[in-house]
Amino acid sequence: DIQMTQSPASLSASLGETVTIECLASEDIYSNLAWYQQKPGKSPQLLIYDASSLQDGVPSRFSGSESGTQYSLEINSLQSEDAVTYFCQQHHDYPYTFGAGTKLELK
Amino acid sequence: EVQLVESGGGLVQPGRSLKFSCAASGFTFSDYAMAWVRQAPKKGLEWVATIIYDGSSTYYRDSVKGRFTISRDNAKSTLYLQMDSLRSEDTATYYCARHPTEGIPYFDYWGQGVMVTVSS
Repeated sequence: DIQMTQSPASLSASLGETVTIECLASEDIYSNLAWYQQKPGKSPQLLIYDASSLQDGVPSRFSGSESGTQYSLEINSLQSEDAVTYFCQQHHDYPYTFGAGTKLELK
Repeated sequence: EVQLVESGGGLVQPGRSLKFSCAASGFTFSDYAMAWVRQAPKKGLEWVATIIYDGSSTYYRDSVKGRFTISRDNAKSTLYLQMDSLRSEDTATYYCARHPTEGIPYFDYWGQGVMVTVSS
């Protein structure tokens, strides 16, 4: 199975800051990486797919990038509603695997 | 508006069975592959199974293979998950999720989830 190592597990930032969350794949996943946001008690919502494509309706302050097997989610101009949990998911091969999640909190 | 509404979760004893469903609306159900994804309490997400648009092919994670069956009824726009020989480690919230296009294995819409607790 492809392992997705997500970091950090938790992150504290201030409103208006830029934050970065990372996922390291255990092998090449050829940009087949998605990012989800999950609010407490809710189901996940797709933010980004194919490493850097923004899902319809997602604010442009969210962006994705890659460098080799390292994938990053950047949130610019942090808003209060962004202080929730984020997961990455590789969609290259079965079984599809997720990162352990990053809980983003406001300072 | 795309909607996925799960129903049928609950408390079940180890070794027993449970089946629940996901009613889809707002899109042509028969055009899309569908999946189940679970999340144990306070834990991360885990893909469970996928079924292609016409039900002719299914895929499972190893830990549920032979115990779980994903199926669909396109006439009723409904997805199912039959879970047999349940174990305590199957305790989780189960989400119904849509693959955006056939062969594209991320998930663009999710249901609200149904809780399954396996305990004696």
